[in-house]
Amino acid sequence: EVQLVQSGAEVKKPGESLKISCKGSGYSFTTYWIGWVRQMPGKGLEWMGIIYPGNSDNTYSPSFQGQVTISADKSINTAYLQWSSLKASDTAMYYCARLKSWSSSHMDYWGQGTLVTVSS
Amino acid sequence: SYELTQPPSVSVSPGQTASITCSGDKLGDKYTCWYQQKPGQSPVLVIYPDNNRPSGIPERFSGSNSGNTATLTISETQAMDEADYYCQAWDSSTGVFGTGTKVTVL
Repeated sequence: EVQLVQSGAEVKKPGESLKISCKGSGYSFTTYWIGWVRQMPGKGLEWMGIIYPGNSDNTYSPSFQGQVTISADKSINTAYLQWSSLKASDTAMYYCARLKSWSSSHMDYWGQGTLVTVSS
Repeated sequence: SYELTQPPSVSVSPGQTASITCSGDKLGDKYTCWYQQKPGQSPVLVIYPDNNRPSGIPERFSGSNSGNTATLTISETQAMDEADYYCQAWDSSTGVFGTGTKVTVL
């Protein structure tokens, strides 16, 4: 069974750093892409970027380029999304999802989401 | 940047057909799919090209895409279909989501 299990909810202060994770199982982790999606409270889905754990090749949406870092550790089947200095506006639910390819594909399995709250 | 526009809301009576549109420049030339999201849950893929449904998605869900508009159609709509729906396409090697449509089954 394909599963993407995300790390738990986080409460952080502005300016702090954070790294959340997404662990894949039940499939060949290095032959699928992992994407990250933001959903701010009461708002729609936003594409952040994707990574290919097989070689760590990645692409970012222009809106998120330079704002976050997407990485992966294929030895433990885990992808990451990290911030170096959080802002209150980073408060959102973050989802990871699996894709077969980088340009003509769909997100067929999703994680349960990680809620990030940034507040002073 | 590329934009996908959806109507904010669609209302439908049980048993009737709901149509949700997604508009974008030359969208018919792009790989487009649809997701359903119920409150408090992760999105679920319901349609991917060409009008394919993942395992477990009912046959009443179908899709089309031509010109500048993609359409998700829900036939014989049921109460369980009440949810937010998002289209998604690719542009310049990055994904883009539509603005989302809330489907209410009255």
